[in-house]
Amino acid sequence: GQNIDQPTEMTATEGAIVQINCTYQTSGFNGLFWYQQHAGEAPTFLSYNVLDGLEEKGRFSSFLSRSKGYSYLLLKELQMKDSASYLCAVRDLSGSARQLTFGSGTQLTVLP
Amino acid sequence: NAGVTQTPKFRILKIGQSMTLQCAQDMNHNYMYWYRQDPGMGLKLIYYSVGAGITDKGEVPNGYNVSRSTTEDFPLRLELAAPSQTSVYFCASTKTGTSNTEAFFGQGTRLTVV
Repeated sequence: GQNIDQPTEMTATEGAIVQINCTYQTSGFNGLFWYQQHAGEAPTFLSYNVLDGLEEKGRFSSFLSRSKGYSYLLLKELQMKDSASYLCAVRDLSGSARQLTFGSGTQLTVLP
Repeated sequence: NAGVTQTPKFRILKIGQSMTLQCAQDMNHNYMYWYRQDPGMGLKLIYYSVGAGITDKGEVPNGYNVSRSTTEDFPLRLELAAPSQTSVYFCASTKTGTSNTEAFFGQGTRLTVV
């Protein structure tokens, strides 16, 4: 089975940098995803990590340490539109299918 | 491409009623999923399918049924609706089940059971 933990809420100021952490426990790790979900909308894909290290994509970066079962999403130069829920999701190869399991999400509020 | 399309967007059901949530994708994806999301929570997997004719239970399958007669469609059936099934339902698809394939989501169905 899987267990994914992330903070429930975070607040940051426009223009600042924020780091959202995610820890996971899984028996068949095969990739970690970050999704962004604005209120009332569907999740949209942000980033993917399967090897240790940092993946950078514009203002967003995601880091993975497989030995520690740890990832973070780094958001730079925060904008008001970044206020959203950020979901950490882990793909697990154990069991009969490659299921994508989601954490409960971190609600980020960006203040002016 | 339309991507993943869900209907209806909103629905109110009375306890004991039944309904089908429709999901269709036009990306020729093999894997399809149904999730539910309760307020302030993450997504919980209800059912998934790895291809036409194949379905399997996820984390919270009780009270639901699915079918996958075609690659494109993956309807979710609620029999005897209960208040505990009040939630937002998301359908998603991926090309395969391999690690780097992102999931594409429909816009969600907001269901209230009263």
